[in-house]
This record gives sequence, C-alpha cells and structure tokens, in this order.
Amino acid sequence: GENVEQHPSTLSVQEGDSAVIKCTYSDSASNYFPWYKQELGKGPQLIIDIRSNVGEKKDQRIAVTLNKTAKHFSLHITETQPEDSAVYFCAASRNGGTYKYIFGTGTRLKVLA
Amino acid sequence: DTAVSQTPKYLVTQMGNDKSIKCEQNLGHDTMYWYKQDSKKFLKIMFSYNNKELIINETVPNRFSPKSPDKAHLNLHINSLELGDSAVYFCASSPATGFSGNTIYFGEGSWLTVV
Repeated sequence: GENVEQHPSTLSVQEGDSAVIKCTYSDSASNYFPWYKQELGKGPQLIIDIRSNVGEKKDQRIAVTLNKTAKHFSLHITETQPEDSAVYFCAASRNGGTYKYIFGTGTRLKVLA
Repeated sequence: DTAVSQTPKYLVTQMGNDKSIKCEQNLGHDTMYWYKQDSKKFLKIMFSYNNKELIINETVPNRFSPKSPDKAHLNLHINSLELGDSAVYFCASSPATGFSGNTIYFGEGSWLTVV
C-alpha cells in the first residue's frame, strides 16, 4: 500500500544552524507534498507545500525540494530558532475520489539555544 | 475565529463508556476528516466525508461511528471505549475531495484518555 517514510525521527540542532528532514514516498502517482508543523498541544499546521511540477519552493527560512525520479522530498530550515522546535510531518497525496494524505511518521526537532 | 473547532479538548472516561467528539468548520469546505494520533505521534486517517457522504472508511472498529448532519459538521461517536482508544483525535477539513493540492486544515485535537 501507499507509504511515506520520514527521517530522522528526532533531530537536535544548535540555534542558527540548519535542519533537514527527508521523506520518501512509494506511490508514483503522488503529486502533492505538504509539510506540517505540530507544536505541543496543538493540531498540525501547514507550513509549506510543493506540487510535482516544481522541483523547489522557498518561503523565507523554509524550503522544500522534490526529486520525482527518486520519489523523495526534503524540508530545509535555515537559521533555526527555538520557536522552530516542534514535530514536523511530511505527507503525500494524489488526485482521486478517495483523496487523503499519507503522512510520514514525524520528526521531533529541538533547537537548542 | 477558529476555522476547525472540536469539543471537548480533553476527555477522561472509563472503559466501556460511550462518548462523542464534535467538530465544526466555518471555512465553507466540502470535505471533513477524522484522524487519530497515537502515543508515537503517528497520524492515521479514520474517516472522510464529502458533502455529508462517507467516502473514506479505513479499517476502524465498528465501535467508531461518524455522523455528518451537514457539511460543516462531522461528529465522532465511540461505543464501548477500550484502553487502546486512548489517543488524540483530530478533526480536519479541506475545500474539496478528489483534487490533489487541497490543503487540509486541522483542528486543535481532542485528547481522549480511557482508564
């Protein structure tokens, strides 16, 4: 079945350093890849997304890259700040009547001050 | 203004009880979802409704019954609660179904603890 693998499961970085989270998907028909940030006690919030016709997208300190051939995509956070500490989820979806996201297993990011 | 709101936020109940979680979205979306997040933070879809019609029903025990009185509401009723039902339940919505790129918006979650 459809599957999204996400690595690493935990990531600690020093404030100001960069963080990279990687995901691999199995369904070659996937064409939309959102990233969510979940802060403690809250629901996941969309932070950035990318469609399959684009290789890279950037929004201030956050960027996402997509390699369709290898079926993997990555989240890059530069100049990390303590408020970036959260659990991050990648997801993949495709067109179809039973539209749903397949989520990765999450990465707990800790930014150390 | 909360876009996707669910109640209650916290629920502690005994095994065998029946409980409901309510969800409402004011985004005008056609599609609503219930996701379950376990203690390891895994997010798994349970149900999806499009315009009050059930379109996704993952392998969820029959004790879980969703109800959508209208497209802005999706409630989750759980019968005969078990210890393993303890989790965070997220309601969510998206503009439509079937089209990739529809952002899913999540509520704040309902923390269910069965004792």
